[in-house]
Amino acid sequence: DSGVTQTPKHLITATGQRVTLRCSPRSGDLSVYWYQQSLDQGLQFLIQYYNGEERAKGNILERFSAQQFPDLHSELNLSSLELGDSALYFCASSPGVSNQPQHFGDGTRLSIL
Amino acid sequence: DQQVKQNSPSLSVQEGRISILNCDYTNSMFDYFLWYKKYPAEGPTFLISISSIKDKNEDGRFTVFLNKSAKHLSLHIVPSQPGDSAVYFCAATYNFNKFYFGSGTKLNVKP
Repeated sequence: DSGVTQTPKHLITATGQRVTLRCSPRSGDLSVYWYQQSLDQGLQFLIQYYNGEERAKGNILERFSAQQFPDLHSELNLSSLELGDSALYFCASSPGVSNQPQHFGDGTRLSIL
Repeated sequence: DQQVKQNSPSLSVQEGRISILNCDYTNSMFDYFLWYKKYPAEGPTFLISISSIKDKNEDGRFTVFLNKSAKHLSLHIVPSQPGDSAVYFCAATYNFNKFYFGSGTKLNVKP
């Protein structure tokens, strides 16, 4: 158990809809990272938050947004969903922004029908 | 742009032998590299890392080698065990901002 909790585990929805994925980091971790893993591909870095502030942005679409709340949990919002958004979405957390490794949740599997 | 590449989608090794997983990168700015292991239906688990100022880091059965001139790193597992069967991802970062992951190598250790 990594200590990172992601909900829901599975999400099935239709094109054009909007969903929110939630992540609770490990106790004490201030950094939260979001990744997308499409079928048979590596993890694509989406965005990083540190203590409530956006710190780094990767290949995140404009239809996607995220935030980190004062209690340090984070949400990833995906809107105007397309078939290609079907993927595993992972959240990871780390204590800070140095060479401390990230600890990953078990992911949310999003299926767009 | 695929800045980190794992060109071998799969690798099969006999138990007790050495497993060598390879990773290539293109960005010379990367200053920290990591390996993660992933079992089905679980998130990746951190395995070992190396700073760009080193060329080798060892942790038990796991050793990571970094060749900066070739922009290549490898993970050696000795001896390999059936429990090591998983997908292995290499990752790279500079300044611990964005992290770039390879597409993974599925290791199968046969008893």
